Amino acid sequence: SQQGEEDPQALSIQEGENATMNCSYKTSINNLQWYRQNSGRGLVHLILIRSNEREKHSGRLRVTLDTSKKSSSLLITASRAADTASYFCANRDGNKLVFGAGTILRVKS
Amino acid sequence: GAGVSQTPSNKVTEKGKYVELRCDPISGHTALYWYRQSLGQGPEFLIYFQGTGAADDSGLPNDRFFAVRPEGSVSTLKIQRTERGDSAVYLCASSLIGLGGSDTQYFGPGTRLTVL
Repeated sequence: SQQGEEDPQALSIQEGENATMNCSYKTSINNLQWYRQNSGRGLVHLILIRSNEREKHSGRLRVTLDTSKKSSSLLITASRAADTASYFCANRDGNKLVFGAGTILRVKS
Repeated sequence: GAGVSQTPSNKVTEKGKYVELRCDPISGHTALYWYRQSLGQGPEFLIYFQGTGAADDSGLPNDRFFAVRPEGSVSTLKIQRTERGDSAVYLCASSLIGLGGSDTQYFGPGTRLTVL
């Protein structure tokens, strides 16, 4: 079964606005990863944050991690229509990734 | 270089039939993973290969599901006596090392299986 939850389940914003998605997880982690999925198909790795890190940046992406609250957030700044996709957080459990249910982001132009 | 590829991209079959789904990992990647994703859900782990051996098959739902990777490269996921509940997108991923490290898993485009 999947662990963790993302919220919101769906998010609709205007191009240029920022989008924030949150993820909670249940067990201890080595790292937490965020993936993007277009059209229900292949996932693209966005960013990985290790358990001893609190914040990480990559381009327009900013990820935070709060291990005391077992939560992470993904911020996409200055969103574009091309950012429309589903976003998943994933916890590394041994050799497998355990995904949340995802947030569907729609960026309107 | 080429990414992970999966064939077929779509497979429609009838209940009770046997299907095989193929995954070609990134060349040189020793670790290979299969996941299944139902509509509106995140991917769920099925099985992990380290080289030719299935190191963790704890996610396989029942004995109708089986996967092989005989030469440590291409993998085939086999489903016997398919049921309507098997309908999902089957995703394959590969990573360079596996072995519990933090290396990135690269996903293929998936095979959408529909069981009528």
